[in-house]
Amino acid sequence: QVQLLESGGGDVQPGRSLKLSCAGSGFRFGNYAIHWVRQAPGKGLEWVAVIWSDGSNQYYGDSVKGRFTVSRDNSKKTVYLQMNSLRVEDTAMYYCARDTGMTDFDYWGQGTLVSVSS
Amino acid sequence: QSALTQPASASGSPGQSITISCTGTGSDVGYYNYVSWYQHYPGKAPKLIIHEVIHRPSGVSNRFSGSKSGDTASLNISGLEAEDEADYYCSSYTTTRTVVFGTGTKLTVL
Repeated sequence: QVQLLESGGGDVQPGRSLKLSCAGSGFRFGNYAIHWVRQAPGKGLEWVAVIWSDGSNQYYGDSVKGRFTVSRDNSKKTVYLQMNSLRVEDTAMYYCARDTGMTDFDYWGQGTLVSVSS
Repeated sequence: QSALTQPASASGSPGQSITISCTGTGSDVGYYNYVSWYQHYPGKAPKLIIHEVIHRPSGVSNRFSGSKSGDTASLNISGLEAEDEADYYCSSYTTTRTVVFGTGTKLTVL
């Protein structure tokens, strides 16, 4: 069955970096764009970034542009989110999600928690 | 890249119908028919319940339906059940090739 599994979350100080991973299984990973979505405590869902199926294009939300970088290794069936210059407001549960091809997300991981504080 | 506007809360009694609105702009909801709706229970992964404005994924109850008029999309839930109590989010593709979510609606089944 289709599964996405995030990892790499944790506690980090402001200004530092963290790299999240999203490992896929049960489907042809290289055929799908993958998105990152986050939810800060007590807040709504916020779209973070997308990487196309072949890695040729990436797009970012305004709040992370210039600080976060999404990449993928289809041979490892994994998408990464490199997060630099982290801010307190980046504290959130980070989900990766599979794009059906019409920018809707049919499968989601269970999320990995990132906490940024001094 | 402003969030789509949803009512913060909605409520209804079992068996009733409710509608949740999602208002965007001519650069997102009004431009594309790429509006989706998600049901989200706290601590769980969100679940896709409507895609491309009106389509239900396999396995989603036909009590859920979607529509759109201009810059506003809507989710209708008929025959409310206790298990429908959750947070609901809309999302839309945008003309800048990004995705924007709605502000979210907390549905209470009375």
